[in-house]
Amino acid sequence: DGGITQSPKYLFRKEGQNVTLSCEQNLNHDAMYWYRQDPGQGLRLIYYSQIVNDFQKGDIAEGYSVSREKKESFPLTVTSAQKNPTAFYLCASRAYGTRYNEQFFGPGTRLTVL
Amino acid sequence: AQKVTQAQTEISVVEKEDVTLDCVYETRDTTYYLFWYKQPPSGELVFLIRRNSFDEQNEISGRYSWNFQKSTSSFNFTITASQVVDSAVYFCALSDSNYQLIWGAGTKLIIKP
Repeated sequence: DGGITQSPKYLFRKEGQNVTLSCEQNLNHDAMYWYRQDPGQGLRLIYYSQIVNDFQKGDIAEGYSVSREKKESFPLTVTSAQKNPTAFYLCASRAYGTRYNEQFFGPGTRLTVL
Repeated sequence: AQKVTQAQTEISVVEKEDVTLDCVYETRDTTYYLFWYKQPPSGELVFLIRRNSFDEQNEISGRYSWNFQKSTSSFNFTITASQVVDSAVYFCALSDSNYQLIWGAGTKLIIKP
């Protein structure tokens, strides 16, 4: 079955630690996205990538880093520079082109800083 | 500037009632896309519908219907005969010229049995 997987589902981090959230898709989509969602809030874009080896900052990129070495993978690293990382993180992907431009989402990772 | 407004923060209805979720958007683009997503308690966002700016036909899918009106910049979502399983947060979104999504704040829908 085609889809987007995110791991882990729950992640606990001590202050000062870097953590990496995994996002993998087998939809053959070119574009991938990372969003952050705080309780009771909407989605905010962290980073996005439209092709391999290229990515762009979103609205709240500070304290985060990404890589796009493979088309199917777009891991997100939450660094110690992110002051308030506790949130729900959602990964999405999109097929390239004007007709099918909806984004499809993974199940998300809930990150808690202890 | 592009913007999506979902003025209803939370709606609570009794099962089997009809309910409409409002979405108002702002854009200067002549070509754009509008979307609705559902976020159940599990957290994953589920794509419901895409509508492009040239297609103002209303859409019906089972108990769901969407009313797109360019004259009022609105893309409202109606659930007919609501069910408890419809309880979720619903997001409206607008796609800009770079295919980035501008999200509304979401409407939490509570369906009481």
